[in-house]
Amino acid sequence: NAGVTQTPKFQVLKTGQSMTLQCAQDMNHNSMYWYRQDPGMGLRLIYYSASEGTTDKGEVPNGYNVSRLNKREFSLRLESAAPSQTSVYFCASSAGLAETDEQFFGPGTRLTVL
Amino acid sequence: AQSVTQLGSHVSVSEGALVLLRCNYSSSVPPYLFWYVQYPNQGLQLLLKYTSAATLVKGINGFEAEFKKSETSFHLTKPSAHMSDAAEYFCAVSDWMNTGFQKLVFGTGTRLLVSP
Repeated sequence: NAGVTQTPKFQVLKTGQSMTLQCAQDMNHNSMYWYRQDPGMGLRLIYYSASEGTTDKGEVPNGYNVSRLNKREFSLRLESAAPSQTSVYFCASSAGLAETDEQFFGPGTRLTVL
Repeated sequence: AQSVTQLGSHVSVSEGALVLLRCNYSSSVPPYLFWYVQYPNQGLQLLLKYTSAATLVKGINGFEAEFKKSETSFHLTKPSAHMSDAAEYFCAVSDWMNTGFQKLVFGTGTRLLVSP
């Protein structure tokens, strides 16, 4: 049982390049999330997916797109990377959207945009 | 909107000493509160959560937190620090979005340093 996995672990991009961050969970969870973590700012929600086939914007969605490919997988795409998107990206999942549902986090992807 | 404030970006303690990490929340209704821990180069892991069942909440690894409504606080404590407790700790609160979805709002984090 691997929990939440993310690929790649590290990535360096040049401004304007595109890339997709992959996330998968094997806990049969309905809900999945993408966060970014920046120094001194905690974690901020980019997008979430309440269930397979649905996605919604979080606090900081500009510059990103997402796809909920199936129940297991939720990808985050940067179409034209900018230095402001240098961050650590975390994927998370939970059984549902109840306020007490625990979110399980992946190990993160460290992205640098030059 | 709900928010949490963590006082102190860094806290240093000696091994065996009391650990106290502070979190204050702003909420007009009873909140759901969480403490997460992040070990170096890892994702976040839930330590404990407050869901209004009991004001003193016990979590993993000997940590506990007490919900104090009068002080709008949810401080994290551990009686005796261990070297393995060195990590970053995040307080979080549930908040409603206008889509009808409850999201987690995280504090800025407190890095706990433990010296021998």
